[in-house]
Amino acid sequence: GENVEQHPSTLSVQEGDSAVIKCTYSDSASNYFPWYKQELGKRPQLIIDIRSNVGEKKDQRIAVTLNKTAKHFSLHITETQPEDSTVYFCAAAVDDYKLSFGAGTTVTVRA
Amino acid sequence: DTEVTQTPKHLVMGMTNKKSLKCEQHMGHRAMYWYKQKAKKPPELMFVYSYEKLSINESVPSRFSPECPNSSLLNLHLHALQPEDSALYLCASSQVAGGLGLAGNEQFFGPGTRLTVL
Repeated sequence: GENVEQHPSTLSVQEGDSAVIKCTYSDSASNYFPWYKQELGKRPQLIIDIRSNVGEKKDQRIAVTLNKTAKHFSLHITETQPEDSTVYFCAAAVDDYKLSFGAGTTVTVRA
Repeated sequence: DTEVTQTPKHLVMGMTNKKSLKCEQHMGHRAMYWYKQKAKKPPELMFVYSYEKLSINESVPSRFSPECPNSSLLNLHLHALQPEDSALYLCASSQVAGGLGLAGNEQFFGPGTRLTVL
C-alpha cells in the first residue's frame, strides 16, 4: 500500500516568516495530494490540494508543489501568523479517494 | 448543507456493550468513509462505501461492523470492543470514490465521535 512520510514532525517559526513541510510517497500511481489542518479536538479541514497533472498550486498565502519524478510534495505557508499554529497532515491517494496520511507536523508561529 | 454530522460526540462503553455511531451528510455525496484516529496520530482509513456498497475494508476486526442504509447515512456498529479501540472515529464523505479523472474529490470530515472503551 501507499506509504507517506512527512517532515518535520514539529516546526517553530517567527511570525512573518515562511513555513515549509515536506512529504514523500511511495506509490507512483498516487494522483491526488491533499493537505489538511486539524485544530486540537476538531475535524480535519482541507486547506489545499493538488493533482498529479499539476506541478504547483497557490491559494493566497498557501502553496503546494509536486515533483512526481521524485515522489515528493511540499506545503509552503508565507507570512505566517499566530493563527497558523496547528497540526498539518499531508496525504496521498490512488484513484482520488483512498487517502494515506503522513504522520503530521505541529507548527508553532511565535509572535 | 455542507457539513458532515456525527452522533454521539462522546461515547463510553464497556467491553460487553453494543453501541452504534452515526454519520449523516446531505451534500449528495455518494462515497462515505470511516476513519480511526488515535491521539497525536493521523487518521487511518477503516471502510469506504461507494454508492451504498462496501468497497474497501482495511482489514478491520469484525467487532466493527459498518452499515450504509442510504446515500445520506453511515453507521458503525460496535460490539465486544477492546480498550485499545478507544479513539476518535471520524466519518467523511466525497462526491464519489474514484473515477473523477482530473476533477477534485475533496473529502469532508465530520467532527468525530470520541470513543472510550472501559
